[in-house]
Amino acid sequence: DAGITQSPRHKVTETGTPVTLRCHQTENHRYMYWYRQDPGHGLRLIHYSYGVKDTDKGEVSDGYSVSRSKTEDFLLTLESATSSQTSVYFCAIQGATKNTEAFFGQGTRLTVV
Amino acid sequence: QKEVEQNSGPLSVPEGAIASLNCTYSDRVSQSFFWYRQYSGKSPELIMSIYSNGDKEDGRFTAQLNKASQYVSLLIRDSQPSDSATYLCAVIGRGAQKLVFGQGTRLTINP
Repeated sequence: DAGITQSPRHKVTETGTPVTLRCHQTENHRYMYWYRQDPGHGLRLIHYSYGVKDTDKGEVSDGYSVSRSKTEDFLLTLESATSSQTSVYFCAIQGATKNTEAFFGQGTRLTVV
Repeated sequence: QKEVEQNSGPLSVPEGAIASLNCTYSDRVSQSFFWYRQYSGKSPELIMSIYSNGDKEDGRFTAQLNKASQYVSLLIRDSQPSDSATYLCAVIGRGAQKLVFGQGTRLTINP
């Protein structure tokens, strides 16, 4: 299995609180992604990173920020959690070329109450 | 227009038949195309990748790419109940390394 770990695996938080999800890899892969998955929407890209301190927005970035200070860690922060951010969040990593497989973490189930 | 579009299904196919899954994409200069399978409650896993026009076969799976029509498909021959899952199409464009997914097609193989 690819060395990618998401934490926490499950979290319940209250509306208005900040939440940080962590994605950690041991593969030294250049590219890292954060997705959310909701019924009927597949995987929607939130943010992605193409190197340390290099990040860009995906299609559903509002209300989310990311940071990548080290190759191995990609953090996703919900600045002020809302019920619409209740979802399953997946992190993925990918090697240096576009023709390489992306590997996924186990997912984080986040519930905002 | 969504960058990657799939018919969300559900698609129901009898065991032993061919399942055909389709995907269209909007960025004409997209270069890399992937099919992932996702079982309920699990993470997506790669089934096939394809980068040039034509067919690519791997066991019971065949990926087909037509860049002129901006269309990629996945055929599953001799479908088995274990193939029941959601199938996700993913695309990377020529520019930034942005891996974008369609909404997925839920496939059910009926014994």
